[in-house]
Amino acid sequence: GQNIDQPTEMTATEGAIVQINCTYQTSGFNGLFWYQQHAGEAPTFLSYNVLDGLEEKGRFSSFLSRSKGYSYLLLKELQMKDSASYLCAVYNNNDMRFGAGTRLTVKP
Amino acid sequence: DAGVTQSPTHLIKTRGQHVTLRCSPISGHKSVSWYQQVLGQGPQFIFQYYEKEERGRGNFPDRFSARQFPNYSSELNVNALLLGDSALYLCASSTMGTGNEQYFGPGTRLTVT
Repeated sequence: GQNIDQPTEMTATEGAIVQINCTYQTSGFNGLFWYQQHAGEAPTFLSYNVLDGLEEKGRFSSFLSRSKGYSYLLLKELQMKDSASYLCAVYNNNDMRFGAGTRLTVKP
Repeated sequence: DAGVTQSPTHLIKTRGQHVTLRCSPISGHKSVSWYQQVLGQGPQFIFQYYEKEERGRGNFPDRFSARQFPNYSSELNVNALLLGDSALYLCASSTMGTGNEQYFGPGTRLTVT
């Protein structure tokens, strides 16, 4: 089967760092995406990993280990506006599979 | 520049009816993908079109069909609507294909009664 697993919910404090994990088991792999989705809105692109290692973009970083089928999204200096769902998606042969998303709540 | 646009915003249909959803990609984008998102779940891939040809298809029944026009806009058609088709339908465009950064439209909220 093909599975993409993420924690359902996470809570963190404003100003802190949070790591959202994603594990995947898919028949193939061409790349992994992270998207942010605020309630009632469309997803917006955060990052894309195709090779192993860490990709940094401002307060957001994403890591990939293809051998372990594992990725994480790291959010630093959390802000209240970071409260949203974070979606992990694996791309393979013109097929994009999303996880169910992790709902992050940032508290003051 | 305008982003991805979708119409209509909301739609209410009855079981057994047919529906057509429309999407206009960002100018210069040649690929359009369609997704179904049920509340509390991630988007599920339905179709991908690139240069007016179907390049990918998710695990959806034949009641779902789509096409892409010469101006790269796209339609998603769903026949014989079921209650379970109630969802947010998202369209995403990209320059080349699903494996590139995608820009999502605001979605069409379909309710089947």
